[in-house]
Amino acid sequence: GAVVSQHPSWVICKSGTSVKIECRSLDFQATTMFWYRQFPKQSLMLMATSNEGSKATYEQGVEKDKFLINHASLTLSTLTVTSAHPEDSSFYICSARVGAPGYTFGSGTRLTVV
Amino acid sequence: KQEVTQIPAALSVPEGENLVLNCSFTDSAIYNLQWFRQDPGKGLTSLLLIQSSQREQTSGRLNASLDKSSGRSTLYIAASQPGDSATYLCAVQQGGSEKLVFGKGMKLTVNP
Repeated sequence: GAVVSQHPSWVICKSGTSVKIECRSLDFQATTMFWYRQFPKQSLMLMATSNEGSKATYEQGVEKDKFLINHASLTLSTLTVTSAHPEDSSFYICSARVGAPGYTFGSGTRLTVV
Repeated sequence: KQEVTQIPAALSVPEGENLVLNCSFTDSAIYNLQWFRQDPGKGLTSLLLIQSSQREQTSGRLNASLDKSSGRSTLYIAASQPGDSATYLCAVQQGGSEKLVFGKGMKLTVNP
């Protein structure tokens, strides 16, 4: 089946630094990738939708200058958390549409900012 | 604005019980509803997807039903096993959108 590989699975970084999270579609082309964030005991919330070769579409309340999304190829989308702060600590997960209407998810990245 | 609710937030049962997990949503104009399983620190595994025109879907010991008019879905797990322990998430896709709206999930613990 369609697999999305997400790396790293966890990362600890110092406040003020930037962190890049990668999602690769291994056996299919992902024209659209979705980035979600999940705080403890909360729902997964869509942050942004990225389309290959164009600018990402951000959900209301998500700072596009802080969460940089690049979808330069059909198999790779990246999320960079710039100048991370402790409040950005969360579980980040990507998803790609597979066929209609299914979705496949990456394994997620646990970000801890200290 | 679509809201998805899953109650209770957690459930602990002995092995072998038949379980019913509930999901409700406020806007009935959905395209489909999906149930996912999430293991600790892991990604999501799709369990069942029900199109808005369907009433139920079955996969092995799992059966999901959808009553769109009342904004409800249930996931039935037959003969629960310790390996079923996980967080179960319900998500709806709105008509005309690719966005999934998730509930907070229900943490299930099946005790041997």
